[in-house]
Amino acid sequence: DIVMTQSPLYLPVTPGEPASISCRSSQSLLHSNGYTYLAWYLQKPGQSPQLLIYLVSNRASGVPDRFSGSGSGTYFTLKITRVEADDVGVYYCKQALQAPTFGQGTKLEIK
Amino acid sequence: EVQLVESGGGLVHPGGSLRLSCAASGFRFSDYSMNWVRQAPGEGLAWVSYIDSSSGAIYYADSVKGRFTISRENAKNSLFLQMNSLRDEDTAVYYCARGTVNSWHYFDSWGQGTRVTVSS
Repeated sequence: DIVMTQSPLYLPVTPGEPASISCRSSQSLLHSNGYTYLAWYLQKPGQSPQLLIYLVSNRASGVPDRFSGSGSGTYFTLKITRVEADDVGVYYCKQALQAPTFGQGTKLEIK
Repeated sequence: EVQLVESGGGLVHPGGSLRLSCAASGFRFSDYSMNWVRQAPGEGLAWVSYIDSSSGAIYYADSVKGRFTISRENAKNSLFLQMNSLRDEDTAVYYCARGTVNSWHYFDSWGQGTRVTVSS
């Protein structure tokens, strides 16, 4: 199985400030077809997960451009330019090169 | 609007069985692969099973292989998860999640989840 490791696991952020979450995979997520199968999800309190980013850097429909994804190979980053109160929740990275596995989750809270 | 509504959860004894359902609407169900993902109490997300649009490709997490069976009925826009030989560690909220046309690359719609509790 591909192991996904996120950091930090807890992220307190002041509204209006930027935030960054890292995700490392135990092996490269680059497929022979040239695509890298890394996605980011947000689970807001009491809700189901929602897709934020797919294929490393593509924002899902309706996701604000404050959210951006980057990375390659085994190292990936989710960035929020200016955190808002509505961004609180647990963020998960997920690989789909093989049977999907998720990171442990990063809990973002407002200071 | 895409909607996924799970049902069938409940309390079951270890060794028992349960069948989960997921009713889909708002999109052409037969065009998309589907997945089950679970979340144990206080824990993160764990993928459970995948089925492609025509039921031609089916995969399971090692933790449920041989005990769970995923299926779908496209004519009724429904996804199922038959869970047998349930264990304490299967206790979780189970979500159905829509995949891409025929892969698990990302899950763009999720249901609200149905809770399964395995306990004596």
